Amino acid sequence: DTAVSQTPKYLVTQMGNDKSIKCEQNLGHDTMYWYKQDSKKFLKIMFSYNNKELIINETVPNRFSPKSPDKAHLNLHINSLELGDSAVYFCASSQVSSRDRYGNTIYFGEGSWLTVV
Amino acid sequence: GEDVEQSLFLSVREGDSSVINCTYTDSSSTYLYWYKQEPGAGLQLLTYIFSNMDMKQDQRLTVLLNKKDKHLSLRIADTQTGDSAIYFCAEAPSGGFKTIFGAGTRLFVKA
Repeated sequence: DTAVSQTPKYLVTQMGNDKSIKCEQNLGHDTMYWYKQDSKKFLKIMFSYNNKELIINETVPNRFSPKSPDKAHLNLHINSLELGDSAVYFCASSQVSSRDRYGNTIYFGEGSWLTVV
Repeated sequence: GEDVEQSLFLSVREGDSSVINCTYTDSSSTYLYWYKQEPGAGLQLLTYIFSNMDMKQDQRLTVLLNKKDKHLSLRIADTQTGDSAIYFCAEAPSGGFKTIFGAGTRLFVKA
């Protein structure tokens, strides 16, 4: 009964390939996120979807394309992978509609370790 | 702009108290959070405090909030080796969708 699950956990791929990371949450949350954590452990938001609508789109190369088929899923597709894309990608979710009352507590998945060689 | 700052490293002896400090900039933040990340794992919510509170205690954890100075601290009493992890401070500005995370404090606990 994992709350936020993402697959694969580990991914090693060659430069130039296209890959996807899938994410699902069973918390009934209305908002999902993708975060990137670099080798120094700095955490940076990439995208956020609220009820399947893109609401946060930080400065991310357009090789990265999120897709939210429904509220419970947010997938990340990466085209033409580069060495600098190597990082840990975290999917997360929260219930933003009640944030003023309960805060925007974010629940994270276990991460997907992407290594580009 | 929005920014959360915290020192990068803290080393303590087992059994001592650890205090991890954080400063934030957005005075509209209604909730402030501490997350813990163990090696090879995702971030887990440790505790949070509502902005109208000064202190919150939860077993070995004490959160202190100085809203005037925009300063948040996390005290871990009787620190154990299992507390070794990265601790992230985060703020959630009201009315927004973004939660802003600090760079994380790496806590090393020496036996």
